Amino acid sequence: DGGITQSPKYLFRKEGQNVTLSCEQNLNHDAMYWYRQDPGQGLRLIYYSQIVNDFQKGDIAEGYSVSREKKESFPLTVTSAQKNPTAFYLCASSPRDGSNQPQHFGDGTRLSIL
Amino acid sequence: KQEVTQIPAALSVPEGENLVLNCSFTDSAIYNLQWFRQDPGKGLTSLLLIQSSQREQTSGRLNASLDKSSGRSTLYIAASQPGDSATYLCAVEWRDAGNMLTFGGGTRLMVKP
Repeated sequence: DGGITQSPKYLFRKEGQNVTLSCEQNLNHDAMYWYRQDPGQGLRLIYYSQIVNDFQKGDIAEGYSVSREKKESFPLTVTSAQKNPTAFYLCASSPRDGSNQPQHFGDGTRLSIL
Repeated sequence: KQEVTQIPAALSVPEGENLVLNCSFTDSAIYNLQWFRQDPGKGLTSLLLIQSSQREQTSGRLNASLDKSSGRSTLYIAASQPGDSATYLCAVEWRDAGNMLTFGGGTRLMVKP
C-alpha cells in the first residue's frame, strides 16, 4: 500500500538537544511538506520541497532544518534554537504544481520536552 | 493577508441530524479548496477537493460547495453518525502559492448517539 510513514510516533527532547523526525513516502510524489500543529489549532507550514535537493522555508522555519537527498525522504531536525518545540508534527506529500491533487499525510510525531 | 477561518470551533449535534460546517477565505484567487478530516492523534485524511472552476463536490453523505465571490465554502454532512465525530479542516491552495496550503483552525465535531 502506498503512503507516508512518520517515525517515531512519540519523541522527547532534552534541553539543548537536536532531534530528527523521519518522513518517508512511496507515492512517487515530487513535493513534500512539514507542518506543525498546536493544540486546537490548524496546521502551519515549516518547510517544503518541490524536488530533490531543493527546499524552501515556510511560515515558521526558525529553529528547524530539513534535507531532501532522496525523493522518498524528507527528514526534519528540530534544533536547540527552537525554544517551544512541543507540538504535533505532520509530514505530507503531493504531486507537483498544477495537478489539483490533495496532499497525503502521515500519522504524525508528537514531540515533547523532558 | 491570505487567511482561512472556520467557525464554529466546536459543534455538538445529535445523531441523524444534517449539519453544515463553514469555511471562509480572504482572497478569491484560489486554485482549489480542500476539506480534510482529522481523528484525535492522527494525520489528515482528504475528504473532498473543489477546483476553482467547480461549484461543488460530493462523496457519499458529504457535499462541499464553493463560492469564490463571497469567499466561502461549506461542508454538508447528511444524516450524521457517531463515527463522523472528528475535527474537520479546510485548506486553500492560492493561485500564487504553488502547492502550499493555508489551513483554517478546524471545527471539532461531536455526534452524540
